[in-house]
Amino acid sequence: GAGVSQSPSNKVTEKGKDVELRCDPISGHTALYWYRQSLGQGLEFLIYFQGNSAPDKSGLPSDRFSAERTGGSVSTLTIQRTQQEDSAVYLCASSSDPGANVLTFGAGSRLTVL
Amino acid sequence: GQNIDQPTEMTATEGAIVQINCTYQTSGFNGLFWYQQHAGEAPTFLSYNVLDGLEEKGRFSSFLSRSKGYSYLLLKELQMKDSASYLCAVKSGGSYIPTFGRGTSLIVHP
Repeated sequence: GAGVSQSPSNKVTEKGKDVELRCDPISGHTALYWYRQSLGQGLEFLIYFQGNSAPDKSGLPSDRFSAERTGGSVSTLTIQRTQQEDSAVYLCASSSDPGANVLTFGAGSRLTVL
Repeated sequence: GQNIDQPTEMTATEGAIVQINCTYQTSGFNGLFWYQQHAGEAPTFLSYNVLDGLEEKGRFSSFLSRSKGYSYLLLKELQMKDSASYLCAVKSGGSYIPTFGRGTSLIVHP
């Protein structure tokens, strides 16, 4: 597609439920990033995918968080047993290759955990 | 780890010039980015600096001093639409993952 698409744009869930957030990167982009943005905070790195390499999961805050990227394209971020502190905007970005100096971001998925 | 500092909020007048500073502490510096983010929207790329000096792009310029761990984003002829958050990010240590600062919220008033 022309840009990075994320869905849903907004998600309200109850504490303890699982949620899935989807990212569709720009076609042909091999690198994909997930970040989290909480109110008044900077972008917090979560996970990085590059081609067929093992993902860099060093930013995932707990084992409730996981992500996969199927076929080197679409990625899904899953949060199990959501907590109120998981409430944030989850941003996905892609770049044409790891050395590229421009990340193109999606508009994000706003998650609210009640 | 990396430490990236930028002011939380700045205000400026339409038509004026504003400079948003970013300082960083890191090892193996490998590039600094500036992104613009309007409320509720995706961050959009503004500039990338890896060598010392000033990069000019229209009304926006970005400066880097690697020895001082310092960058600034200069916005000229401010317009109301420039009201947004400006994010400074750094790549270092051979990582492909930029680390972001908390962002500077710029408010442009008439």
